[in-house]
Amino acid sequence: DIQMTQSPSTLSASVGDRVTITCRASQSVSSWLAWYQKKPGKAPKLLIYQASNSQSGVPSRFSGSGSGTEFTLTISSLQPDDSATYYCQQYNTYWTFGPGTKVEIE
Amino acid sequence: EVQLLESGGGLVQPGGSLRLSCAASGFTFSSYAMTWVRQAPGKGLEWVSTINNKGDYTYYADSVKGRFTISRDNSKSTVFVQMNSLRAEDTAVYYCAKDRETTVTTPDYWGQGILVTVSS
Repeated sequence: DIQMTQSPSTLSASVGDRVTITCRASQSVSSWLAWYQKKPGKAPKLLIYQASNSQSGVPSRFSGSGSGTEFTLTISSLQPDDSATYYCQQYNTYWTFGPGTKVEIE
Repeated sequence: EVQLLESGGGLVQPGGSLRLSCAASGFTFSSYAMTWVRQAPGKGLEWVSTINNKGDYTYYADSVKGRFTISRDNSKSTVFVQMNSLRAEDTAVYYCAKDRETTVTTPDYWGQGILVTVSS
């Protein structure tokens, strides 16, 4: 099974800050990596697919990069509405989510 | 507009069974794989099961294999998950989700979720 890790588990930043979340896979997933945003009581929202492709309608401040085993999600200018938990997910071999990164606004 | 509406959740005793349904609209249901994902209270997202567009390929997480069965009725645009031998650790909000492509990849649209509580 492919295991996913994320760092940090929690981060606190100010509005306007650049924020980066890292996701690592236990083995190569090529570019079959997605990022989701999850708010309490809401459905998950797809932000990025295939490591670096933005889902339609997602603000341009969200971007993804990486391949193989190491990936990043960057929020270029943090906004109040970005307070959420972010999950990476590999879909190279079945599907596995990372443990999540909670983003808090200072 | 894509809409996914889960139903069938509720309280069930350990060892019991429950069948969740997800009614889809706003897209050509028969063209897309469908997935169930769950989130236990205070925990992260966990993939549960996926079925391809025709219903002839199914995939399960090890945690539910042999206990859960995913199926679909393309004539009714509905996907199901039959959950048997339920355990306390199956307590979660269950989400159904539509694949973003006509091949099996990753979900783009999700339902609002339905709560399943396994408790005596």
